[in-house]
Amino acid sequence: SQQGEEDPQALSIQEGENATMNCSYKTSINNLQWYRQNSGRGLVHLILIRSNEREKHSGRLRVTLDTSKKSSSLLITASRAADTASYFCATDARDKIIFGKGTRLHILP
Amino acid sequence: DAGVIQSPRHEVTEMGQEVTLRCKPISGHNSLFWYRQTMMRGLELLIYFNNNVPIDDSGMPEDRFSAKMPNASFSTLKIQPSEPRDSAVYFCASRDTGRANYGYTFGSGTRLTVV
Repeated sequence: SQQGEEDPQALSIQEGENATMNCSYKTSINNLQWYRQNSGRGLVHLILIRSNEREKHSGRLRVTLDTSKKSSSLLITASRAADTASYFCATDARDKIIFGKGTRLHILP
Repeated sequence: DAGVIQSPRHEVTEMGQEVTLRCKPISGHNSLFWYRQTMMRGLELLIYFNNNVPIDDSGMPEDRFSAKMPNASFSTLKIQPSEPRDSAVYFCASRDTGRANYGYTFGSGTRLTVV
């Protein structure tokens, strides 16, 4: 069963623009993780934010976490064609992670 | 480090046949996870192991599915007999529970087609 749910399901933006994806979840978590999946490939870990953190940065990625609202957002700044992929949030409640269905991001040239 | 290695990359089999998927986790990682990905259901956790011991197999869809981890460097997921609805991409992932705030490392997956 899915714990996280991403919004929107699909997003198309122009290269250079910022992309924002949201994730909502249902139960308490230890941390929340974001992954990227290119078509036909495995998942690649992008960033992890702990339950006691509110914001985290990694390069062009910015993740926020609001545990009171049980929600997270992933911001990709200055998008590039190579950012075209599906993005998944994954909630880590104990010793396993459960994925949402993902957001398909398409960067237009 | 070669990462998580899965084999085969692609498998096409006839309904009723036995299918065995293989996974070699990253050396030193003590947790191993099997996921299944379909368009309809997304990524589903099937089973996971800690220190080679199955911890939670509640995601295994039916008795036709079984998984083993005979040692720290090898795991199998077996489907017997296979059915067309088992067609999916199966991913293996591993992590080091001693580094709880690090992400999981996924293999490239096995694309299974049952005809």
